[in-house]
Amino acid sequence: EGQLVESGGGLVQPGGSLRLSCAASGFTFSNYWMTWVRQGPGKGLEWVANIKEDGSGKYYVDSVKGRFSISRDNAKNSLFLQMNSLRAEDTAVYYCARDNAFMIQGDLGPIYYYGLDVWGQGTTVTVSS
Amino acid sequence: EIVMTQSPATLSVSPGERATLSCRASQSVSSNLAWYQQKPGQAPRLLIYGASTRAPGIPARFSGGGSGTEFTLTIASLQSEDFGVYYCQQYNKWPPWTFGQGTKVEI
Repeated sequence: EGQLVESGGGLVQPGGSLRLSCAASGFTFSNYWMTWVRQGPGKGLEWVANIKEDGSGKYYVDSVKGRFSISRDNAKNSLFLQMNSLRAEDTAVYYCARDNAFMIQGDLGPIYYYGLDVWGQGTTVTVSS
Repeated sequence: EIVMTQSPATLSVSPGERATLSCRASQSVSSNLAWYQQKPGQAPRLLIYGASTRAPGIPARFSGGGSGTEFTLTIASLQSEDFGVYYCQQYNKWPPWTFGQGTKVEI
């Protein structure tokens, strides 16, 4: 089924840096896109970034572009999020999640739909002086 | 960026009743929509993908419908364990993937 465990969260001053890690087990990590999603205090979910299976494609929400960097180490079944120039508005619980592609047989052939089907428990990042 | 709008913000339902949650996209997302459930202190759980297909292990009382810009999540005969916040998410046009703001289901 799969398991994800995040680590690396903590308290950091504005302008500081933090590196989050996500350890994957129970599935073939290198076969899946992976995603970071965050949730501010009392707020909804916000997609932050995702990365292709082999790390060749990386995508970010505008608010973190140039400050955050997503990466992965398939040999170590690990996902990372390097966060620089942190701001108060980056305060959130950060979740890593597995992007799964579900195949449905359509009339003209297979159709793929996607969903985040395995989630970690989250790690808390607090940006405050 | 596609904006996802969910309604109502809060839904109060008694056990055994039917709950219908709505999600509207600012432009067509075809059937590229997923629904998630989140309980307090827990990570979200995938319920529905492709707008209408239940994820593995999801009870049959959960059903999704719609396409284009209008979507619904229906919980038939609500159980006490179904309380929580429900989010829709589009993945038709990205980045970014975008979530709705959530509907809180109160039992």
